[in-house]
Amino acid sequence: DSGVTQTPKHLITATGQRVTLRCSPRSGDLSVYWYQQSLDQGLQFLIQYYNGEERAKGNILERFSAQQFPDLHSELNLSSLELGDSALYFCASSPRSYNTEAFFGQGTRLTVV
Amino acid sequence: AQTVTQSQPEMSVQEAETVTLSCTYDTSESDYYLFWYKQPPSRQMILVIRQEAYKQQNATENRFSVNFQKAAKSFSLKISDSQLGDAAMYFCAYRSPNYGGSQGNLIFGKGTKLSVKP
Repeated sequence: DSGVTQTPKHLITATGQRVTLRCSPRSGDLSVYWYQQSLDQGLQFLIQYYNGEERAKGNILERFSAQQFPDLHSELNLSSLELGDSALYFCASSPRSYNTEAFFGQGTRLTVV
Repeated sequence: AQTVTQSQPEMSVQEAETVTLSCTYDTSESDYYLFWYKQPPSRQMILVIRQEAYKQQNATENRFSVNFQKAAKSFSLKISDSQLGDAAMYFCAYRSPNYGGSQGNLIFGKGTKLSVKP
């Protein structure tokens, strides 16, 4: 158990809908990363937050957004969902923004039908 | 931009034997970190081993070791005495040093699926 909790584990929704994925980092970790794992694109970095502030952006679509709350949990919002958004979404956390090691949650499997 | 390449989509090894997974990367940075992650069918991403680029000594963690060739930009993973539980997807990953505003996120290769035969 990495100590990073993601909910829900599975999510099935229809095209055009909006969903929210939640991540609770390890106790004391300030940095949260979101990654998307799909068959065709592999594992891609989406966005990073550090202590409530956006720190870095990767290949995140405009339909996607995220935030980190004062209690350090983070949410990834996916809207106007398309079939191609079906993927495994990982959250990872680390103690500091520059820490070398990040610990991954078990992921949320999103299926868009 | 940095890239990571794993040229072996699938590998197979006999139980108790040794297998080496290949990884090459491209970067213009001199300081960085390299990782191997394991993803079993449970889909959990598990850190196997890490290597700091400034360290010449190859990292070792029990049955797992790396062959880090900085000049060749190569970072292979050797698994000794393979066990059935080693069967998984293995991802090589690169990370910038994350100072001066550079991103600290991981850049992953496409992965190598390792099968272990009893």
